[in-house]
Amino acid sequence: GESVGLHLPTLSVQEGDNSIINCAYSNSASDYFIWYKQESGKGPQFIIDIRSNMDKRQGQRVTVLLNKTVKHLSLQIAATQPGDSAVYFCAENTGGFKTIFGAGTRLFVKA
Amino acid sequence: DTGVSQNPRHKITKRGQNVTFRCDPISEHNRLYWYRQTLGQGPEFLTYFQNEAQLEKSRLLSDRFSAERPKGSFSTLEIQRTEQGDSAMYLCASSLAEGQDYGYTFGSGTRLTVV
Repeated sequence: GESVGLHLPTLSVQEGDNSIINCAYSNSASDYFIWYKQESGKGPQFIIDIRSNMDKRQGQRVTVLLNKTVKHLSLQIAATQPGDSAVYFCAENTGGFKTIFGAGTRLFVKA
Repeated sequence: DTGVSQNPRHKITKRGQNVTFRCDPISEHNRLYWYRQTLGQGPEFLTYFQNEAQLEKSRLLSDRFSAERPKGSFSTLEIQRTEQGDSAMYLCASSLAEGQDYGYTFGSGTRLTVV
């Protein structure tokens, strides 16, 4: 069935370093992928998205890479800051209304 | 309009009681979604509205759950005869139907604890 998963449940990085959060998906029909950030006590917050006809998209300090051959998605955060500490979810959408979320990776930023 | 608003933020109820949650989406968004999130997991889809029409319900949504969006604006999610397994964060999100952007705006959720 459809599934979106993550390679690592937790990631710890030093402040100022770059962070890479990975995600694997299994539905080859998915054509839209989204990264969300969730801080404690809050709902998920949209970070960046990418369509299946792209392999890279950049935002402010964030980059999403999509490798459709191996069904792999990654989120890169440049110069990680304490405010980046949160749980990060990758999510996929097959062009309809339902977005499927993975289990999440918790990012710890050490000062 | 400051985003998606959910009320209450927290609800503690005894097993067997009924509870109702409210979601006020972003006013120009005509799509509204309910998700459930348990500790350490990603949000799980429950149901979806486009305007006032409920277009899909997840298998997770048992007969004890009902959602409405009577005028295509706010929505309510009711759980009847609550069980301890219903304890979770209930998240509401909204989005625009137009265009190809399927990114959602989530509310802060209602945390339900069934004792």
